[in-house]
Amino acid sequence: SQKIEQNSEALNIQEGKTATLTCNYTNYSPAYLQWYRQDPGRGPVFLLLIRENEKEKRKERLKVTFDTTLKQSLFHITASQPADSATYLCAPPGGGDKIIFGKGTRLHILP
Amino acid sequence: GAVVSQHPSWVICKSGTSVKIECRSLDFQATTMFWYRQFPKQSLMLMATSNEGSKATYEQGVEKDKFLINHASLTLSTLTVTSAHPEDSSFYICSARTTTTEQYFGPGTRLTVT
Repeated sequence: SQKIEQNSEALNIQEGKTATLTCNYTNYSPAYLQWYRQDPGRGPVFLLLIRENEKEKRKERLKVTFDTTLKQSLFHITASQPADSATYLCAPPGGGDKIIFGKGTRLHILP
Repeated sequence: GAVVSQHPSWVICKSGTSVKIECRSLDFQATTMFWYRQFPKQSLMLMATSNEGSKATYEQGVEKDKFLINHASLTLSTLTVTSAHPEDSSFYICSARTTTTEQYFGPGTRLTVT
């Protein structure tokens, strides 16, 4: 069955450094992949979508890569700030209109 | 743009009663709406997909008679948890999409069944 794995449940990064989050998928080849941010007690907020023919996508301090050979997407936040602390969810499509969510990585930016 | 609201944001109900949660797309028409459930420190689990004017499609293991979904218009979907039990206590989140790929999520509804 399709499987999504995100690295470590929690990641602590010093303010100003680059945070890198990993998403690995197995048993299928998604045509695109989305990244969302979720704050405690809130719904997810869409950040970026990257398609299989795009190696990299950027939005302000965010960068996403998509390696279909490694079956992996990396999510980078440069010049991280305490306000970036949240859970980040990797979400490839699950067939039809569906999205499959990974468990997420809780990112803590330490001041 | 692309704002989705949910009402109520939290609700406490007694075991055996029913509770209705509304999901509205405020500034766009949603061809498809989704309902998710999220337990603490777990990922979002899709419960059902609904298209306006048609019956919802439920995921495996989700009881359609317990979780009633109505997608009456292009801007409103409702989830009714019938005969709620404490194990139904969870964070319920809806999302909506138009013809693009992105889903826009509501802020969620915290349901506590006592």
